Parts: sequence; C-alpha cells; structure tokens
Amino acid sequence: RKEVEQDPGPFNVPEGATVAFNCTYSNSASQSFFWYRQDCRKEPKLLMSVYSSGNEDGRFTAQLNRASQYISLLIRDSKLSDSATYLCVVNNQAGTALIFGKGTTLSVSS
Amino acid sequence: NAGVMQNPRHLVRRRGQEARLRCSPMKGHSHVYWYRQLPEEGLKFMVYLQKENIIDESGMPKERFSAEFPKEGPSILRIQQVVRGDSAAYFCASSPLNNPGPDTQYFGPGTRLTVL
Repeated sequence: RKEVEQDPGPFNVPEGATVAFNCTYSNSASQSFFWYRQDCRKEPKLLMSVYSSGNEDGRFTAQLNRASQYISLLIRDSKLSDSATYLCVVNNQAGTALIFGKGTTLSVSS
Repeated sequence: NAGVMQNPRHLVRRRGQEARLRCSPMKGHSHVYWYRQLPEEGLKFMVYLQKENIIDESGMPKERFSAEFPKEGPSILRIQQVVRGDSAAYFCASSPLNNPGPDTQYFGPGTRLTVL
C-alpha cells in the first residue's frame, strides 16, 4: 500500500463549481497533514495545514479523519486560477520530512 | 529576505557524467531537505541535513548519490555517473534553526536534471 494515495484525476470543472479531493495515508502515527499546490511542475506551495477539527481558509475547507486515515479538500466557487495539481502530504515516521501523494489534477474552465 | 535558491535551474548531463545541484537555504535557516520528483510521480524525500551533519538519509539511493551541507556555502547534492533514470526535478527545502519540521519547510524552485 502506498504511503499517501490520491485519485490522480483529472477533475475538469466549470468556474463556480464545488470540487472535492480525497486522500488516504497508511501510517497511523502521522501527526502533521497538509495540502500543497503545484503548478506546472514548479515547486510545491503550502495551501493549508489540516487539523483534526477541520479548518477553512476562504473557499478552501480541509477535513481529517484519523480513524479512517483520510484527508479531504473542498474547493468552493472554483476559479480559473485554481487550476493546478493538489498534493496531499503527511509527515514521515521520524517527523522530520514530508511524504507526498502523486497529486490530483484540477482544471477549471470558463 | 530572499527565498530558497537553487542552481542551476536546468542541468543537462550525458550518461556517466557527474551532476552537482546547489541549494542555498533562506537566511537564518540551517536545516535543508532534498526531494526528487520523477516524471509523473510525487515528490520523494531523499535526505535531511543540518550544517555539517546528515540527519536522515533514508531516501537516498545507496549508490552514486551523496549530499553535504558545509559550515559555509550551499548544500550540494551530487550524483555521480548519471543514468537516464536520474532525469527528474530536484527540490530543496529549508527550515529555521529553532523550528525544524514539515510545518516550516520552504521550497526552492527546483533544478531540472536531464540526462541524455
């Protein structure tokens, strides 16, 4: 089983749509969870951390279910500029580095 | 405050040559992490270094790859006798002295290595 698994997509949605991405992780000892965004193979950029209670940042909402080892990202009112690859990320067993999923590609069209 | 800098941004090598990738962390950061992203793959952790010390190299291939972070100067990732399978984007991230960890890793723009 891969350490972090994501549906690769692509997700093709119109502007204004709501889209949800899911992710599962294998290491129950993971303590830190994140969503990153990567544009055109550039460096990944932190979108948001994910907390057990769930958290929201504008149009973005992240949820964590530790029992199911499942992380989600919801994007509301999609913009053209949201088109990117979204990476689900957890910390490694040592707690020092990041384990990345392969990413889910989102394409928002007008 | 300049961000994490990596050079070169693009590097082309022929099979059997050596590749040297450099990473200058953000000012005040003394923790450096190297990641590799193969085509159509996610980023994979390679090595974590502090000044003059390798802390975790569990993701480094056993042969041909080495990394250092000297007291002065950038961190260097060296790949000897490159093969086509080494073609990838190599990202460096840095973290501040007093708070190393995944929450505080800042990524550089990456070096794209192409092996002919």
